[in-house]
Amino acid sequence: GDSVTQMEGPVTLSEEAFLTINCTYTATGYPSLFWYVQYPGEGLQLLLKATKADDKGSNKGFEATYRKETTSFHLEKGSVQVSDSAVYFCALQGGSEKLVFGKGTKLTVNP
Amino acid sequence: EAGVVQSPRYKIIEKKQPVAFWCNPISGHNTLYWYRQNLGQGPELLIRYENEEAVDDSQLPKDRFSAERLKGVDSTLKIQPAELGDSAVYLCASSYRRGSGVGYNEQFFGPGTRLTVL
Repeated sequence: GDSVTQMEGPVTLSEEAFLTINCTYTATGYPSLFWYVQYPGEGLQLLLKATKADDKGSNKGFEATYRKETTSFHLEKGSVQVSDSAVYFCALQGGSEKLVFGKGTKLTVNP
Repeated sequence: EAGVVQSPRYKIIEKKQPVAFWCNPISGHNTLYWYRQNLGQGPELLIRYENEEAVDDSQLPKDRFSAERLKGVDSTLKIQPAELGDSAVYLCASSYRRGSGVGYNEQFFGPGTRLTVL
């Protein structure tokens, strides 16, 4: 079945550092890919998405590119802020329409 | 616009007791989802409704879990009896699905109900 594997955390960075969280997937067909973020005490929020190969999703300085050849959707940000501290989930949506999530990566950004 | 509303936010019960969670989706959203998120894991789908019909309940443990979505709006998820392993966060999400074709429909999540079974 469909699955998502993402980099295990926790990840701790200093403010203004570069962030990469790796995500790879296994799916039949051509799934849509997502990054969700969960801030402390809040629900999951969609951060960005890409619905076809080579698409780049971006939001709030975060970017991820849908790479079909490597089945990857790595999340990047050039300069993280303390307010980016949260848990980040990579997910895919395939033919069944349900979202399949990775285990999540906790990011802590220190001032 | 109000988001997905869930209640209660927290629930602590003894094992073998029943428990119910309530979800009010975003107004106009015809699709509703219940997910379970175990500690340190990503959410996993339990059931998906389109209007009042459960179209995917393959991951719902039907011996103790039940769900309903009367009138295609609010939904209730019930566990009876609860077991220790049911301790988790139960998330509700909703989306608006256009037509009958398969496609991407953004899901909006509620804050979840954190269940602790003692």
